[in-house]
Amino acid sequence: LAKTTQPISMDSYEGQEVNITCSHNNIATNDYITWYQQFPSQGPRFIIQGYKTKVTNEVASLFIPADRKSSTLSLPRVSLSDTAVYYCLVGDAPDTGNQFYFGTGTSLTVIP
Amino acid sequence: GAGVSQSPRYKVAKRGQDVALRCDPISGHVSLFWYQQALGQGPEFLTYFQNEAQLDKSGLPSDRFFAERPEGSVSTLKIQRTQQEDSAVYLCASSAGTANEKLFFGSGTQLSVL
Repeated sequence: LAKTTQPISMDSYEGQEVNITCSHNNIATNDYITWYQQFPSQGPRFIIQGYKTKVTNEVASLFIPADRKSSTLSLPRVSLSDTAVYYCLVGDAPDTGNQFYFGTGTSLTVIP
Repeated sequence: GAGVSQSPRYKVAKRGQDVALRCDPISGHVSLFWYQQALGQGPEFLTYFQNEAQLDKSGLPSDRFFAERPEGSVSTLKIQRTQQEDSAVYLCASSAGTANEKLFFGSGTQLSVL
C-alpha cells in the first residue's frame, strides 16, 4: 500500500501559480500518480495523471522527478473557483488489488 | 447517462435500520468503486467491481456492509443494522477500463444515522 503525504492546507492569492507537493516514498514500479480535485458536496474530479517526468493538460501540470518518490501539481494563475481540496493518489491496477487510495488531501484557499 | 448517478442524495436512518444506496455508473464502464468519506477526511476505499465480479472488498468495515453489481452495471451498497459511526458520504465511481484509468465520481449519498 503506497501511502501519500501532502500539506494539510495552503493559501494563495488570485493570479498566482500554486504548487502542491505530494510525497510517496513507497511508490511501486507500476504505480501511476493521479491528482483529483474536490469541491464541497461533490465527488472528486480527475485533474491529471502521470508516470514520470512532466505531464501538462489544459488545467494543470504534473512534475515527477526521476526517483518518483514525490510529485508536484502546478496550477497556473489560480482563481477563486480553484478553492477546493486536492488529493494525490498512487496505484495502478484495481483488479489486482492495487487500489487508488486517497489521503487527507490539501485544502487550497484562494484569496482575492 | 452523462455521468455517474447516485440515489438517494440524502438518507436519514434510525440506528438499527437497514439502508440501500444505489449507483448508476457511466454506461459501458467496466470498473466500479465504492468509497466512504467522513466529514473533513479523504475518501476511504470500500470495494471494487470489475463487471459483475467483486474483486476487492478489503475496505468494507464490517460484515454489515454488503455490495453487489449483479448485471455488471447498476450497483447497490447495503448497510445492515446501521450504527452512528456509519454516518458519512458514500461515493461511487466508475472507470472505462481496469488499470490506470480516470475515475468518474458521482455526487454521493449523505447518510445520517440517528
